[in-house]
Amino acid sequence: EIVLTQFPATLSLSPGERATLSCRASQSVSSDLAWHQQKPGQAPRLLIYDASNRATGVPARFSGSGSGTDFTLTISGLEPEDSAVYYCQQRSNWPLTFGGGTKVEIK
Amino acid sequence: EVQLVESGGGLVQPGGSLRLSCAASGFTFNTYGMNWVRQAPGKGLEWVSYARDGRNTAYADSVRGRFTISRDDAKNSLYLQMNSLRAEDTAVYYCVRNTRYYMDVWGKGTTVTVSS
Repeated sequence: EIVLTQFPATLSLSPGERATLSCRASQSVSSDLAWHQQKPGQAPRLLIYDASNRATGVPARFSGSGSGTDFTLTISGLEPEDSAVYYCQQRSNWPLTFGGGTKVEIK
Repeated sequence: EVQLVESGGGLVQPGGSLRLSCAASGFTFNTYGMNWVRQAPGKGLEWVSYARDGRNTAYADSVRGRFTISRDDAKNSLYLQMNSLRAEDTAVYYCVRNTRYYMDVWGKGTTVTVSS
C-alpha cells in the first residue's frame, strides 16, 4: 500500500498570504496524484488531478506541482473561503489511498 | 447537474447489517466507475470499495469479506451491503464518481453508527 504523508498538519495564515502544502508518497506515484478540499461540514471536492491540472471551476490561485514522491499544493493569495482541510490522493496503485490531510486556518 | 445522493445510513448494533444506496443523476452512469469512501468522526478519508461493473470490483483490506459493492446501471444506482459491522465502521460514507481513478464527484454522505 502506498502511504501518503502530508505536512504540515496545520497551517495558520492571513488573507492574501501564500500557502504551501506538501504530500510525500512512500514510493513513486509518477504524476498520478490529486488534491481534494474539504470545508467544515461539507463533502470533499476535487481541486487538482494529474498533480498539476485544475479541475473544472477551481480558481487559478490553486496550483499543484511535483512528480514521483514529492508534491506541493500552493494557494496563492489566500481567501477566507479557503479555510478547509486538504487531502492528497494517489491513483497509481491499489488500494487508492489518501494522505492524512493539512488543515488550513485563516487568521 | 451531476448529482450523487446517498441513503440507508443509521444506527446498527455490532454484528449487524446495513445496505447503503446511492442514486446518480446528470451523467451517463454506466460509463463510470464508482467508489465508496468513508470518514470516521474527526478523521481523514478512507477509500472503501470500487465497482466498474459486476465483475470489476475492489475492496480495502479492512472491509473485504464483510462488505459487498454492487450497481444497477438500469437504475443509475450504486449499493454497499455491509455485514458483520464493527464499531470501527462508524463513519460518514460517501458515494464518489471515479474518472481515471480520481474521485471527481462526491455525494453529501450518509452516516453509519455502529453501537450497542
